Formats: sequence, C-alpha cells, structure tokens
Amino acid sequence: SQTIHQWPATLVQPVGSPLSLECTVEGTSNPNLYWYRQAAGRGLQLLFYSVGIGQISSEVPQNLSASRPQDRQFILSSKKLLLSDSGFYLCAWSAPGAHTGELFFGEGSRLTVL
Amino acid sequence: GQNIDQPTEMTATEGAIVQINCTYQTSGFNGLFWYQQHAGEAPTFLSYNVLDGLEEKGRFSSFLSRSKGYSYLLLKELQMKDSASYLCAVSDSNYQLIWGAGTKLIIKP
Repeated sequence: SQTIHQWPATLVQPVGSPLSLECTVEGTSNPNLYWYRQAAGRGLQLLFYSVGIGQISSEVPQNLSASRPQDRQFILSSKKLLLSDSGFYLCAWSAPGAHTGELFFGEGSRLTVL
Repeated sequence: GQNIDQPTEMTATEGAIVQINCTYQTSGFNGLFWYQQHAGEAPTFLSYNVLDGLEEKGRFSSFLSRSKGYSYLLLKELQMKDSASYLCAVSDSNYQLIWGAGTKLIIKP
C-alpha cells in the first residue's frame, strides 16, 4: 500500500532563518506531488506541484522554492523566512497521469515564524 | 475569478442529519470533491462527483448540480467523531483543485 510522510511535524523558526520541509512517498512510482499551505479560515493554497523528477510548477510567487531530487521525494525550502510564511504545510500525492482530485496528504507540518 | 463558497460553521446533534452546502464558480469543471479534516490533521478524501445526482457511501452522501454550480454533503446518523471540517474542492479546466475554506461541523451530544 502507498504511504506518505512529511517532517518535521512542527517547527518554530525566527524571521530570516532558512526552512526545509521534506516529504517522501512509498508504494507508488512517478506520483504527482504537491505542496499546499493552509492558513486559518482559508482554503488550501497550492504552492508547487511536480509531475516528475526535476519538473516543478510554481503557482504562487513567493520566497519559497521546491525541489524533487528523487522520484518520490519532494522538498520545500526557503532561504529567509517571513512572518507571513507561518501556516500549516501539507504535502500530497496523486496517481501518476491521473486527472483526478483524489489527493493523499501527509501528516502536515505546522510552521510558526517569530 | 474562481470562487468556492461554503458555510464557515455548523452545529448539529448526535444521531441527527446535517447537510453542508457548497456553491462554486470556476473556469471549467472536471469534478467536485469533498474532504474531511479533523483538527490539526491532514484532509482525507470523502467523495467525488462529476455527473449530476447523488452518490451514496455509507452514512455520507454527496449531491451535484452542475447547472446550478451547487453541491451538498449529507451526513446521516451523526457521531461525535464526525466533528471536523469539511472541505469542498472543484477541479477546474486545467485539472487544478480550487478549494473552499471549509465548514467546521460541531456535533453536540
């Protein structure tokens, strides 16, 4: 069966510090991968998605970046965090080539920037 | 612009029935999804509608009317564990999901 894990679960970072969130998927090949951010009272905001290694599409201009160094690994990074980067970050995968909205989410990472 | 509207919060009684509505305006339509999200956890998939009508899955049912840009999620025989947020999402013409802000459902004994 397929599983998805992301870490760390929670982190508190000072403004201007770097960020790295990691996500891995097991049990499937060539998944579509996504990074979302969820702010309180707002819908999920798609940050990045990837349909293959090295292929990253950015949905929102910001100081965040994403990389997919391996087929089932997706990393969200920032060189310098802003206060507005605080939120609940979710990694998700969907079946390769599938045009469906059935996403499978990781446990989430709650980021607080102080 | 693209927009998904759903009530912010609803309250219902254990054992009762509740209907959570969702209206949408999107550029194209390739299906509507409902997800459940317990506090502090990730969303989990509940249902998918692409054709008009009712889809039933146990205690949960989801209805779609494409002409009206409207859907609802019906929860029967409510249990305390159903206390959660329910997210409506629409797949647009580019197969990207547009998400509503979610409806927080509070179940009272």
